[in-house]
Amino acid sequence: EAGVAQSPRYKIIEKRQSVAFWCNPISGHATLYWYQQILGQGPKLLIQFQNNGVVDDSQLPKDRFSAERLKGVDSTLKIQPAKLEDSAVYLCASSSRGTSGTEQYFGPGTRLTVT
Amino acid sequence: KNQVEQSPQSLIILEGKNCTLQCNYTVSPFSNLRWYKQDTGRGPVSLTIMTFSENTKSNGRYTATLDADTKQSSLHITASQLSDSASYICVVREGGSNYQLIWGAGTKLIIKP
Repeated sequence: EAGVAQSPRYKIIEKRQSVAFWCNPISGHATLYWYQQILGQGPKLLIQFQNNGVVDDSQLPKDRFSAERLKGVDSTLKIQPAKLEDSAVYLCASSSRGTSGTEQYFGPGTRLTVT
Repeated sequence: KNQVEQSPQSLIILEGKNCTLQCNYTVSPFSNLRWYKQDTGRGPVSLTIMTFSENTKSNGRYTATLDADTKQSSLHITASQLSDSASYICVVREGGSNYQLIWGAGTKLIIKP
C-alpha cells in the first residue's frame, strides 16, 4: 500500500512570496490533515478535511493560508504572502476516519524556509 | 488548559542501553494516548496507542505505560539500537465531542555506538 505522498520535499522562498504544497493521501482515506511543525516542537494542526469538507480550521491563519481538497482526494496548502515565521515542516496525514481511535499516517513533509 | 509535557527534552545514550521517556498531560476529558517515533526528515509513525483502561502495551523493544490517575505515561526502550535515534512524541486525544489531539514537543533521542 502506497503511503502519503507530498511535494515538494524542500522549498526556499523570500518573504512576501507565495508557495503551494501538494498532498496525495493513502487511497480510500476519507480524512486528510495538514500540520505545521516548527523545529523543536510537536506538529500543530492547521486544517482537517473529511472528504472534501472542512472539519476543523480553527488554527489556520486564514489571512495568509488557504487549503482545498477538490474531489475529496488530493489537497493543496497555499501560503500567500509568506512570513519569516512560516519557516517550518508542513506535514500531511490521512486516516480512514476522523474518529478517536483511528491512526493517522503521515507523509515525509515539506520543509519550507522563508528568507 | 490542555497540555502535554515531555521530558527530557533530549537524551544521549550508548547503543545497547535502556532508556525511559516521560510524558505528563493535563488533558481532560481523556480519550487515548499515542506515542509516535519521528525520524529526521520523516513524518511521525505510531508506536503504540493506549486507552484509559490499559496500563502497559508493548511493541517489540518499545513498552509504553499509562497511569490515568496521575496522568503520566512513559516509553521504555530496551537494548537500544542506532536506528532508535529519533524524536519521540507523546500525543493525547481529548474525549467527548471535541476529540482534538494535543501534541507534546517530543524527546530527541540520540544513540551513540
